[in-house]
Amino acid sequence: DTAVSQTPKYLVTQMGNDKSIKCEQNLGHDTMYWYKQDSKKFLKIMFSYNNKELIINETVPNRFSPKSPDKAHLNLHINSLELGDSAVYFCASSQDTAGSQPQHFGDGTRLSIL
Amino acid sequence: DQQVKQNSPSLSVQEGRISILNCDYTNSMFDYFLWYKKYPAEGPTFLISISSIKDKNEDGRFTVFLNKSAKHLSLHIVPSQPGDSAVYFCAASVWSGANNLFFGTGTRLTVIP
Repeated sequence: DTAVSQTPKYLVTQMGNDKSIKCEQNLGHDTMYWYKQDSKKFLKIMFSYNNKELIINETVPNRFSPKSPDKAHLNLHINSLELGDSAVYFCASSQDTAGSQPQHFGDGTRLSIL
Repeated sequence: DQQVKQNSPSLSVQEGRISILNCDYTNSMFDYFLWYKKYPAEGPTFLISISSIKDKNEDGRFTVFLNKSAKHLSLHIVPSQPGDSAVYFCAASVWSGANNLFFGTGTRLTVIP
């Protein structure tokens, strides 16, 4: 029974297109996150939502827009895709925003821009 | 600007021996540290953590040591097993912050049977 699930697992698309990645958690957690892992395997936070409210928004281009329809879902929409957006995107969740709460990760979405 | 660093990209250890993975950080505001394990095509999985008020935390075969003055932590796995072969990420956060985790770039551990 998957705790944090994200779809699709793979996404191959052309430069300039718009795409979305969906994330759902069934752990009853209040906080959800999006991370980007680049080609150097560096995992960096992009956004964090707590109870559907944005609490972390790192330096991410405006083309990236997260949306949290409810506590269990945090989707990521990307407009006008660029070559540099190619990466693995991970969704995660935690009980709350306390720094001691472990985050539970999905299996990632590998985005490839042609 | 990487605030958490894992300077060894890879480590190979014989089965049954000890594996020691190292991590350094630069931000003195960090007061909570976590280790994650990652298999290919899967997300990172939480392994063990330590608060800055402690210098050691143990969970079965896994022990994390924290040296605050040196801004250094290490993960010891003993005895190492082939199933431990994975990429290990060190991460740091501020306890009272927004749970913004700062990750190192990972160390690939290979346990040789």
